[in-house]
Amino acid sequence: QKEVEQNSGPLSVPEGAIASLNCTYSDRGSQSFFWYRQYSGKSPELIMSIYSNGDKEDGRFTAQLNKASQYVSLLIRDSQPSDSATYLCAVNTWQNAGGTSYGKLTFGQGTILTVHP
Amino acid sequence: GAVVSQHPSRVICKSGTSVKIECRSLDFQATTMFWYRQFPKQSLMLMATSNEGSKATYEQGVEKDKFLINHASLTLSTLTVTSAHPEDSSFYICSAAEGNSPLHFGNGTRLTVT
Repeated sequence: QKEVEQNSGPLSVPEGAIASLNCTYSDRGSQSFFWYRQYSGKSPELIMSIYSNGDKEDGRFTAQLNKASQYVSLLIRDSQPSDSATYLCAVNTWQNAGGTSYGKLTFGQGTILTVHP
Repeated sequence: GAVVSQHPSRVICKSGTSVKIECRSLDFQATTMFWYRQFPKQSLMLMATSNEGSKATYEQGVEKDKFLINHASLTLSTLTVTSAHPEDSSFYICSAAEGNSPLHFGNGTRLTVT
């Protein structure tokens, strides 16, 4: 089983619709969860972070976390063509190495979203 | 907000040569930086975790003698691809976080080995 798994996609939605992106993770010790957006040829940019169970809303984006089900999702309301990109789910787990603690981010394989006019 | 600068953005080199990529945190101190590699149409794969003042921690399958990482200060980490070959051609991305804040990524380096 992959550590972080996203719905395979690609996902295509019409402009103005709601896009729903899903992600599951295997490590119950994970504490922080992120959604990144990546345009072709560019590095990822953070769009949402969520740390506790429930919903978190930021503009047209809503992240949902259910730690019991090890599930995190991202909803994009009123989808726009400019939202067309690859969306990466990332899960952070604290690691210890040589006396140093740091968060290790593991990414899902990404879901390609296309919003058509 | 936190800014991570990566240089160069694009490099073309001949097979057998070495390439150095720099990653700087511009407005914060980064105890830990991360190096990722991304092949076309694939997700980011963590190569190594770089801790300031100590040896990097490499992920399984990543050759530490080929991908040399130096994290000499709290604002600079470098990745050197030694004796590069065409199969090393990829998109290399560094990232860093300030404390417990989310990771911020550099703009990436597109490496092409001919």
